[in-house]
Amino acid sequence: AQKITQTQPGMFVQEKEAVTLDCTYDTSDPSYGLFWYKQPSSGEMIFLIYQGSYDQQNATEGRYSLNFQKARKSANLVISASQLGDSAMYFCAMREGDDYKLSFGAGTTVTVRA
Amino acid sequence: DTGVSQNPRHKITKRGQNVTFRCDPISEHNRLYWYRQTLGQGPEFLTYFQNEAQLEKSRLLSDRFSAERPKGSFSTLEIQRTEQGDSAMYLCASSPDGGDVGKNIQYFGAGTRLSVL
Repeated sequence: AQKITQTQPGMFVQEKEAVTLDCTYDTSDPSYGLFWYKQPSSGEMIFLIYQGSYDQQNATEGRYSLNFQKARKSANLVISASQLGDSAMYFCAMREGDDYKLSFGAGTTVTVRA
Repeated sequence: DTGVSQNPRHKITKRGQNVTFRCDPISEHNRLYWYRQTLGQGPEFLTYFQNEAQLEKSRLLSDRFSAERPKGSFSTLEIQRTEQGDSAMYLCASSPDGGDVGKNIQYFGAGTRLSVL
């Protein structure tokens, strides 16, 4: 079974608008971490934001925030005030328990229009 | 502070040839990971090291794949007798040791893109 599901293959957003990228996950482990990475066309995966399963508040990092709904097993990324440089592929990933490896979703391509 | 460095960035080879990729992690990071990413997909975990010890290699795709980290610094990933299905991006990541496992952030290099003709 897929551990991470990203249902939006591609999205367009107007510059300066906000965009929400969906991510749902599947785990039976009570302890897990959720991560979002950005992959521009250059290929490098850039870490954006982290949310722990026991964290009470939604994570925020600058223009990035994570809408964590534990009961629904969703961890959506919100990018506010989109910029042209935000155009990239975005991946949701999860680590379970004491396991160090990450499981990634298939990604969502974001294109920011001027 | 330099990030994770991978070489070469691109590799074109003929089917049946052996290839080796190198990864230099962030200098103070003890943990090093290899992932494979095929077109349109997210990265898929292959193996990881803590210092020179390879702690998990069950996800290496076949016995044609092997990885080493002999001195606990840089790592190499070798693919023997390459096949066209090996064409992919090979990503390396590193992370520091210790602390909360859940918050252990992996930092990635730009990858090596392999094309097998």
